[in-house]
Amino acid sequence: GAVVSQHPSWVICKSGTSVKIECRSLDFQATTMFWYRQFPKQSLMLMATSNEGSKATYEQGVEKDKFLINHASLTLSTLTVTSAHPEDSSFYICSAGTPQSGTSGRYEQYFGPGTRLTVT
Amino acid sequence: GQNIDQPTEMTATEGAIVQINCTYQTSGFNGLFWYQQHAGEAPTFLSYNVLDGLEEKGRFSSFLSRSKGYSYLLLKELQMKDSASYLCAVSTSGTYKYIFGTGTRLKVLA
Repeated sequence: GAVVSQHPSWVICKSGTSVKIECRSLDFQATTMFWYRQFPKQSLMLMATSNEGSKATYEQGVEKDKFLINHASLTLSTLTVTSAHPEDSSFYICSAGTPQSGTSGRYEQYFGPGTRLTVT
Repeated sequence: GQNIDQPTEMTATEGAIVQINCTYQTSGFNGLFWYQQHAGEAPTFLSYNVLDGLEEKGRFSSFLSRSKGYSYLLLKELQMKDSASYLCAVSTSGTYKYIFGTGTRLKVLA
């Protein structure tokens, strides 16, 4: 159980275009979804936290008008990179979080396989 | 501010034991996770600590000291496939966000 999928797994787009990445929790309902960005040889950097039906909370330094997040249901969140530029090329990873039943206080995130974005 | 530190790189020999340290300073604490990540792939869960002490799971063990803001991941009987990045992540209370450490790239040599 606890499978998270991302689509597409990789995408190449031209500078100035927009790209949408989908994140789905396949066998559970996620109370919250998270979007991360990872540059080569670096760790995961949290971009934003999204809850179903409400606006996403962006981390400091992340442009909310450039990285549009929509969380339409408890199993689907989308990240749209608008007017992409080469510096947006990165590995984007989503995770879906849910409290663990029977384990007091434990909240676990399940990670998607990631989307490799290359902007030319 | 929030800060999680790990060594950048480590090298060890096949069959040996390696300890990867993680120190953290965060506003709120709701547990510490260790993940393994191979290049180009998503992180995979290794261990979780929320109380002080050692958690053992096969070849992997993880230790936590909340008073010292310190954790380590211990890998025994190293195998070539253990060559990967190891990420320490602190779950902060309230928002349940994870703050990831800088990550440690482990290279296992034959």
